[in-house]
Amino acid sequence: RKEVEQDPGPFNVPEGATVAFNCTYSNSASQSFFWYRQDCRKEPKLLMSVYSSGNEDGRFTAQLNRASQYISLLIRDSKLSDSATYLCVVRLNTGGFKTIFGAGTRLFVKA
Amino acid sequence: DVKVTQSSRYLVKRTGEKVFLECVQDMDHENMFWYRQDPGLGLRLIYFSYDVKMKEKGDIPEGYSVSREKKERFSLILESASTNQTSMYLCASSPPPHYEQYFGPGTRLTVT
Repeated sequence: RKEVEQDPGPFNVPEGATVAFNCTYSNSASQSFFWYRQDCRKEPKLLMSVYSSGNEDGRFTAQLNRASQYISLLIRDSKLSDSATYLCVVRLNTGGFKTIFGAGTRLFVKA
Repeated sequence: DVKVTQSSRYLVKRTGEKVFLECVQDMDHENMFWYRQDPGLGLRLIYFSYDVKMKEKGDIPEGYSVSREKKERFSLILESASTNQTSMYLCASSPPPHYEQYFGPGTRLTVT
């Protein structure tokens, strides 16, 4: 089983739709959680850090459920520019700096 | 804004050549990382460094070495490039307390 698993995708949605990405992690030593977006042939860019109380940034909402070891990202009112791959990222508290990247979920937003 | 730069966006090298990839960050971060990213395999950690002259192997260090002589600079070295090292190479740096990673633009290396 992969340490970080994401929805396989791709997701194809119309502009204006709400889309949710799910991510589960298996290591209970997971300490910090992030969502990144990666455009084709570009570097991953930090989208949001995920806090235990959940957090919102404009159209984006991230949720963390430590008991279920589950993270989600909700995008409301999708824009064409939201088309990208979304990576779920987990940092472990194991005395080092081990960070695990999910394989990513591809989103296509269409007009 | 965090800025991580990499020495080249595209690089073409021949098999057997020694290849240097350089990464510089301007935020005084102690932690720096080198990854490679291949289709279907995601991001894989090659090496990381948590301080000057300190380095740790990641998941796929074979065929690579690194150098960190100054805090802001972390170099990846391919001692003898091979075709299976054709990939996108990404450098990142990471600040406390949450250690989110900030990536450079990547170097797309082709070994022929």
